[in-house]
Amino acid sequence: EVQLVESGGGLVQPGRSLRLSCAASGFTFDDYAMHWVRQAPGKGLEWVSGISWNSGSIGYADSVKGRFTISRDNAKNSLYLQMNSLRAEDTALYYCAKSPSYDILTDLDYWGQGTLVTVSS
Amino acid sequence: VIWMTQSPSLLSASTGDRVTISCRMSQGISSYLAWYQQKPGKAPELLIYAASTLQSGVPSRFSGSGSGTDFTLTISCLQSEDFATYYCQQYYSFPSFGQGTKLEIK
Repeated sequence: EVQLVESGGGLVQPGRSLRLSCAASGFTFDDYAMHWVRQAPGKGLEWVSGISWNSGSIGYADSVKGRFTISRDNAKNSLYLQMNSLRAEDTALYYCAKSPSYDILTDLDYWGQGTLVTVSS
Repeated sequence: VIWMTQSPSLLSASTGDRVTISCRMSQGISSYLAWYQQKPGKAPELLIYAASTLQSGVPSRFSGSGSGTDFTLTISCLQSEDFATYYCQQYYSFPSFGQGTKLEIK
């Protein structure tokens, strides 16, 4: 059974940093691209970033480019999102999601339950 | 940037109805489109990918159609568990989502 478990969320002041993690199990992690998708309270889904199976292809939404960095450790079956210079508008539930293939230009076939990030002073 | 217009934003229907949700792109994306269902407090779930292919385990009352710029999600014979919010997502370029359609009970 595919499982994606996010962690690392919390309350953080504007301008500070936070690192999210996603622990994956139930599939061969290094065969698949992975993504972060966020959802602000009461709002829709926003794709944040994606990374291919070997980290060779990475993409970011314009809203986070230059502030967020996605990475993965295939030996640890883990996905990460380093979030710097956080803003109030980054407040959201952050989901980890899996691609059905090695590339990032795909649908998302499995999702975690999310970790909440709140940016406020 | 590919602009997506999903409509309607709110749809009221009754159990047993047939409903359609539209997703229109600002440029052609071939069939690189997926549909998701999200229930309150839950993560989204993939329903359809490649515009018309049903994800494993998804009931056959869900169907998708379209290619290029215009896509449709159809739910025939609505069941009580189908009242939720639906999103389209393109993956022709870096992924992006439509604004969502909340399907509520009339």
